[in-house]
Amino acid sequence: ELKVEQNPLFLSMQEGKNYTIYCNYSTTSDRLYWYRQDPGKSLESLFVLLSNGAVKQEGRLMASLDTKARLSTLHITAAVHDLSATYFCAVGSYSGYALNFGKGTSLLVTP
Amino acid sequence: DTGVSQNPRHKITKRGQNVTFRCDPISEHNRLYWYRQTLGQGPEFLTYFQNEAQLEKSRLLSDRFSAERPKGSFSTLEIQRTEQGDSAMYLCASSPSGQGAMDEQFFGPGTRLTVL
Repeated sequence: ELKVEQNPLFLSMQEGKNYTIYCNYSTTSDRLYWYRQDPGKSLESLFVLLSNGAVKQEGRLMASLDTKARLSTLHITAAVHDLSATYFCAVGSYSGYALNFGKGTSLLVTP
Repeated sequence: DTGVSQNPRHKITKRGQNVTFRCDPISEHNRLYWYRQTLGQGPEFLTYFQNEAQLEKSRLLSDRFSAERPKGSFSTLEIQRTEQGDSAMYLCASSPSGQGAMDEQFFGPGTRLTVL
């Protein structure tokens, strides 16, 4: 069974600071996704990572994938309040189309 | 709006009643997924359709749950004899095929079910 672990689960950071969220997964996969969820809302796709060494950036967020280490990171640069949300990583199962989600990282950016 | 739509958005029911949710995927997407999300957790996969064929089911999908996608367009998820443990957000997602390994899933707003 594919297990996905994120850490930290909760993160409070000051505006302007940098931080990294980690996503480890237990078995081989060729697809990793990052989603954002605001309270009471659905999931918004942020990044799709499909190959070892893939790096994607959008604004203050940058995601990377190391398939050998089974690790993805979501790096936040110079955080702003608008980034406050829950961030999920999801890993595609090798034998099907289901996504296996981590528990999410609840991010709060404070002044 | 061309995103995934779900109805109803909220449903309150009494234990033992049956409920049905509807999902309309993005029109050109032939893959459709159902997930369940409980408070403080990530979504959990329930089932997957390619066109009208149900190709994958999670063991979370007990015999009280059934999903259909007639004609390969909208899908319905029915829960029979609801239990309090069924209270959750039910999310539908869709994705196109033919993009190679992308399989990026686009989620709807969800149906929040409360079983009293």
